[in-house]
Order: sequence, then C-alpha cells, then structure tokens
Amino acid sequence: GAVVSQHPSWVICKSGTSVKIECRSLDFQATTMFWYRQFPKQSLMLMATSNEGSKATYEQGVEKDKFLINHASLTLSTLTVTSAHPEDSSFYICSARRARLAVETQYFGPGTRLLVL
Amino acid sequence: DAKTTQPNSMESNEEEPVHLPCNHSTISGTDYIHWYRQLPSQGPEYVIHGLTSNVNNRMASLAIAEDRKSSTLILHRATLRDAAVYYCILSLLNSGNTPLVFGKGTRLSVIA
Repeated sequence: GAVVSQHPSWVICKSGTSVKIECRSLDFQATTMFWYRQFPKQSLMLMATSNEGSKATYEQGVEKDKFLINHASLTLSTLTVTSAHPEDSSFYICSARRARLAVETQYFGPGTRLLVL
Repeated sequence: DAKTTQPNSMESNEEEPVHLPCNHSTISGTDYIHWYRQLPSQGPEYVIHGLTSNVNNRMASLAIAEDRKSSTLILHRATLRDAAVYYCILSLLNSGNTPLVFGKGTRLSVIA
C-alpha cells in the first residue's frame, strides 16, 4: 500500500524555538496533503490543507503565522511550528491523498510527537 | 460532511468476531463510507470503504444497510493487535481537496 513518512517521529524542544516536521509520500505523488493535530484522549483535528505550489488553507482557529506549511514538491510537505510553547505539545499527523481506483483514499503518516518544555 | 455516530467503546474477547456499528442517517447518495483505525501512538490506518454493496478485504468486512443509514465493520477474529480506535467517516466520491473529518470513533479493547 501507499506509504507516507514523517520526520522526526518525536521531538523535545525548549519554549520559543521553532520545530520543522517533514511529511513525504514515498511511492506516489500527492498534490494535496493534510495536517492534523491530536491531543491526548481526543480525536484528530484538521489544521490545514496543503496544496503543491500554492498557499495552504487553514482551518478556523489555526494561526497561519504560527504553523507555517510549505508544499514545495509533489512528495514533500513541511509544517513548521514557530516559537513553540507548551500548549503546542501534541501529536502531529500528516496525510496524503492518492487516487485509488475511482475513490481517493487518504494515507496517513506515523505521526510526530512534539513536547515543548 | 455528514455526521456519523459510533459507540464510545466496545470490548471483545480474543479470537471472537467483533461487530462495530456506525449510524449515518443523513448520508447522501454520493457519500462513500470509510473505516479507518488508529493504533496507540500511530497515525490512522485505512481499513475498508464501500458505497452500497457489502465489501470484504483481508482486514475486515463492511456490511451496509439497504437504506445506507447505517453500516457495520466486522472483524472476523479479533486479535490483541486489533485493539484500536475505529473511525467511521463519510466522504464524497472524488472529493478532491476535501479532507477526512474524524469523529470520536469507537475504542475497541480486546481481552486475551
């Protein structure tokens, strides 16, 4: 099946620093990727939709200047958490959409756990 | 997106079948029914999807009610590795940039 990777798998940083998370589609091209965030015991919450070569679309309540998304190629999207604070500690998951027969299926990365001290 | 309703949690004994229900009474004619599951500390994993007919794959079976207002994910023999949160999600055919929207799902516990 299609594979989506994320790097790093976990990161610990000091408050005020910036953290970059990479999401790659390994065996297919993804014109659209999605970024989700998941807090403990909660479901996935969509943060933004990332389109190759254009600006990301952010969900209501997600600060675009804090969560910078770049989708420079058909296989790579990055999420940068700028000036991270403890409340940004969460599980960040990316996803890429791939056409599968006539139904597009979303494939998810393994997630990146961020802990801000 | 049309809303789905699932029980918060279910429990099963190992090696027994599990039926995970999902209600989607407001489903439209072009909505596909998707099931994903999320194992602890991992990203969601695709399980199965269907439109009108029942579907089988190596992971599970999907039984869709005739009126499409509900569906059931069937794990034929639960194993400890099937313990996860199972999400039932509706998505339009050829939905382009529309992402999957996750509800709370059903947390399945499997007892040895």
